[in-house]
Amino acid sequence: GAGVSQSPRYKVAKRGQDVALRCDPISGHVSLFWYQQALGQGPEFLTYFQNEAQLDKSGLPSDRFFAERPEGSVSTLKIQRTQQEDSAVYLCASSPSQESSYNEQFFGPGTRLTVL
Amino acid sequence: GQNIDQPTEMTATEGAIVQINCTYQTSGFNGLFWYQQHAGEAPTFLSYNVLDGLEEKGRFSSFLSRSKGYSYLLLKELQMKDSASYLCAHLGNQGGKLIFGQGTELSVKP
Repeated sequence: GAGVSQSPRYKVAKRGQDVALRCDPISGHVSLFWYQQALGQGPEFLTYFQNEAQLDKSGLPSDRFFAERPEGSVSTLKIQRTQQEDSAVYLCASSPSQESSYNEQFFGPGTRLTVL
Repeated sequence: GQNIDQPTEMTATEGAIVQINCTYQTSGFNGLFWYQQHAGEAPTFLSYNVLDGLEEKGRFSSFLSRSKGYSYLLLKELQMKDSASYLCAHLGNQGGKLIFGQGTELSVKP
């Protein structure tokens, strides 16, 4: 079966542009997570969805970051007015259950965003 | 706070054994994960510990001591393909979000 897919894999944006990053989770997975990974660092949590509900957005670094999952499947992370510090790999992960206990997360390959 | 620390990089020889340590601080513990991440690729799940002790899975084993806030990943019979970043993570207090360490970059040399 297909894993988590993300598009585009690479995105170059000029400072000030808006970008939209897409995540297709594994079919049927209830939970979806977005993480930001800077070069040489571990992933840092951005936001979490359970079906279409955004239950935690405490990791979004500013109000320029917005995420949605309107039908409880595909999710989009949007960054407005991009800045150089937004350059990172954006990882999406999904998991099958809505339980908050152990629940393996399956990661996509990420979108590498470079802001010039 | 929810801090998690692991060494930045390690080097080991093909065929040898290496232990990657991880220490964490959290107000509510819900489990400790290890992920492997090759350069430019997605993190892939290696192990999960929620109780104290050693979990063995082929060449990889993971150990947890909740009282010490300590875990390690043990890799045996190292192969060149084991060169990767190894990420230690614990579950956050709310929901299923993972709190990651910075990752340990392991280089396996012939």
